[in-house]
Amino acid sequence: EIVMTQFPATLSVSPGDRATLSCRASQSVFSNLAWYQQKPGQAPRLLIYAASTRATGFPARFSGSGSGTEFTLTISSLQSEDFAVYYCQQYTKWPTFGQGTKVEIK
Amino acid sequence: QLQVQESGPGLVKPSETLSLTCTVSGGSISTNNYYWGWIRQPPGKGLEWIGSVYYSGTTYYNPSLQSRVTISVDTSKNQFSLKVSSVTAADTAVYYCARHTGTSGLDWFDPWGQGTLVTVSS
Repeated sequence: EIVMTQFPATLSVSPGDRATLSCRASQSVFSNLAWYQQKPGQAPRLLIYAASTRATGFPARFSGSGSGTEFTLTISSLQSEDFAVYYCQQYTKWPTFGQGTKVEIK
Repeated sequence: QLQVQESGPGLVKPSETLSLTCTVSGGSISTNNYYWGWIRQPPGKGLEWIGSVYYSGTTYYNPSLQSRVTISVDTSKNQFSLKVSSVTAADTAVYYCARHTGTSGLDWFDPWGQGTLVTVSS
């Protein structure tokens, strides 16, 4: 099993500020990484795939980077609708998810 | 626009079998290169992939759940189903169905259903 570790568990950010979320894999997953956004009471929604490709419907302030074992999701200027929990998921082997990073209002 | 929707009992007794169905609308479940998956999320916790099925019936399961899980597909109804046997309180979770897609067909999940809470309790 490939273990995905996300940090920090909670990120307190002011609206308009930059948020940087990290995801680490226990072994290389190459660029086989996706990010999801989950708001309270809702299903997760695909945000990024192939480590850096933005899914349909998400604005350019969301960007993904990294390869191998270290990945980053950056939200360049947080808007009110961006406060949510973000999960990473690898798909090099059978899919596994990180435990999530909650982005909350500071 | 493709949509998926879970249905099934919200309460299951310990030691019994949990059964859920996912209905696909706005597209065919028999589309090449798409798998169809189940993911669960215990209350307040993270996400766990359960398994995925191709329209031909080919399945892949999470090794930690494989002994208790069966996923099947009914192309005539555009549905796929999940069964988890011998459930315990640890199986209490929101269960999501989703299209499992990507270059290999077993990459990321998009779209997801709204989820259905299944509680295991006597």
